[in-house]
Amino acid sequence: QLQLQESGPGLVKPSETLSLTCTVSGGSISSSSYYWGWIRQPPGKGLEWIGSIYYSGSTYYNPSLKSRVTISVDTSKNQFSLKLSSVTAADTAVYYCAREVQLEGNDYWGQGTLVTVSS
Amino acid sequence: QSALTQPASVSGSPGQSITISCTGTSSDVGGYNYVSWYQQHPGKAPKLMIYDVSKRPSGVSNRFSGSKSGNTASLTISGLQAEDEADYYCSSYTSSSTFVFGTGTKVTVL
Repeated sequence: QLQLQESGPGLVKPSETLSLTCTVSGGSISSSSYYWGWIRQPPGKGLEWIGSIYYSGSTYYNPSLKSRVTISVDTSKNQFSLKLSSVTAADTAVYYCAREVQLEGNDYWGQGTLVTVSS
Repeated sequence: QSALTQPASVSGSPGQSITISCTGTSSDVGGYNYVSWYQQHPGKAPKLMIYDVSKRPSGVSNRFSGSKSGNTASLTISGLQAEDEADYYCSSYTSSSTFVFGTGTKVTVL
């Protein structure tokens, strides 16, 4: 059974960089059938797609976040990561990592991790 | 990219059918058959219920069905059950090779 697990600091200071890692177990991140993505959800609000990456390193980002987002992949560790720079309180959210079946949706999700931006 | 438009809330009695709409543009919903729907219970991760407009993943009840007409996609839940009470989100692939989610709909079982 495929499992995804987010990890990283739960508290980040304004103007700093948010960094999260998603560890994939029970399957290979190098499969040609899937992309690997990040989605976030501010408290009490809706879902926002952040971006996704293919095992080869090809990336796609939400245009509204593109200037601040970097998603990378480490196939040797079966992990992919999110970096979001110059964070503000508006970036406070539950961050989910998920497997994306090419264009068909996200079929496996991590449990989500709350990241709070505050001094 | 703007979020797809969904009604804030929809309600129904047990056994009834309800439909949730998801309106976008010709650059997303109307341009591709890559609309998916997610169910999210409080404090839980979203669950994929429908993909490719109308296909159900293995294990999802056939009470859930999807369709699309023009720039609007729809999710229908038939034989409404108490366990269907949750938030529902649509999502679509876009002409920018990105994805966009809907605003979300809270389903209440009366």
